[in-house]
Amino acid sequence: NAGVTQTPKFQVLKTGQSMTLQCAQDMNHNSMYWYRQDPGMGLRLIYYSASEGTTDKGEVPNGYNVSRLNKREFSLRLESAAPSQTSVYFCASSEVPIRSEQFFGPGTRLTVL
Amino acid sequence: GNSVTQMEGPVTLSEEAFLTINCTYTATGYPSLFWYVQYPGEGLQLLLKATKADDKGSNKGFEATYRKETTSFHLEKGSVQVSDSAVYFCALSETGGGNKLTFGTGTQLKVEL
Repeated sequence: NAGVTQTPKFQVLKTGQSMTLQCAQDMNHNSMYWYRQDPGMGLRLIYYSASEGTTDKGEVPNGYNVSRLNKREFSLRLESAAPSQTSVYFCASSEVPIRSEQFFGPGTRLTVL
Repeated sequence: GNSVTQMEGPVTLSEEAFLTINCTYTATGYPSLFWYVQYPGEGLQLLLKATKADDKGSNKGFEATYRKETTSFHLEKGSVQVSDSAVYFCALSETGGGNKLTFGTGTQLKVEL
């Protein structure tokens, strides 16, 4: 089992460019999440998908969109990248019910110039 | 809303020293509590968890007890090793839908010979 995979691992964008971060899980989990990690701020939830066909905003959704393509895949899109979106992005997944462990991918390090 | 407060790092210890990383939380309901560990260049991994008051989570020599009266979930290990050097995150999950995690800012641990 690969667990949670993310592509790309590294990306450099110019301000205003767009890109999509890909995430896939092979654990048959219902719920998937996108976080960003910034120094001194821990991880903050951007968007999540409690189940296939649903998505909801997290703590810091502005400037991002998501698509739950199917049960396995959950993508994060930056339509017009800004330097404030320079961060490390983590995708995670979990089973339902509540209180279950979240499994994290290796992360994507994004720099916006 | 929910929040998690961790002691600031970095924490530097000699090998075989005793470790305590403090974590306190604020929550409206009865959350589950987690400690995640992040090794350099990797995603987060679950270290241990506790789902109700007075539960003790343990794994790899680490322990933490869910203290509802003090709203705390301090991480302890009796004898640290160089291989324990990592960033440790305390987190809670909401009792509502989505299994969303709220993270502390993380505490970096450095263990020296």
